[in-house]
Amino acid sequence: DAEITQSPRHKITETGRQVTLACHQTWNHNNMFWYRQDLGHGLRLIHYSYGVQDTNKGEVSDGYSVSRSNTEDLPLTLESAASSQTSVYFCASSAEPGGQFFGPGTRLTVL
Amino acid sequence: AQKVTQAQTEISVVEKEDVTLDCVYETRDTTYYLFWYKQPPSGELVFLIRRNSFDEQNEISGRYSWNFQKSTSSFNFTITASQVVDSAVYFCALRNRDDKIIFGKGTRLHILP
Repeated sequence: DAEITQSPRHKITETGRQVTLACHQTWNHNNMFWYRQDLGHGLRLIHYSYGVQDTNKGEVSDGYSVSRSNTEDLPLTLESAASSQTSVYFCASSAEPGGQFFGPGTRLTVL
Repeated sequence: AQKVTQAQTEISVVEKEDVTLDCVYETRDTTYYLFWYKQPPSGELVFLIRRNSFDEQNEISGRYSWNFQKSTSSFNFTITASQVVDSAVYFCALRNRDDKIIFGKGTRLHILP
């Protein structure tokens, strides 16, 4: 069965370190998204991609970057982790015009 | 501006009661999609329904039903005969033409035994 996976599921890191969260989907969807979920804010869009080599900034992109070298993967990199980036991160993918399917989430703690 | 408002932050009902979760949206697009997602205590996001802007038919799926009214920009979700397993956070969302989805802040639903 097609699916979308995220790794790691839990990560603790220190302020200033670079962190990469992986997202892999086997739906063969062109569109992929990264969100963060925080209490009181719901889900907010960080970055998204409509296909290989395409990346776009979302609502809260500062301090994050993504790259899309193939259809299946959209890794999210925190260049220099900050405590404000402690959150739960969700990756999603979609095919026009369907709903987005979400990965299980990564809980990131920045100390 | 695109916006989704879920005015009910938290709702508690006793099991077997019916409960309606409200969702009001704003968009300038004439073509758009509306969604509901469920986030149970385990944390994953579960897709429940998609409705496009040209289809105002209400939908029923088991104990779940959705009422889409363009005239009031609302897409409300009703659970009939609620069960404890329905306890979760429910998100309403709006997708515009560029496929970005805007989420409401969610309604936390507690079903009390």
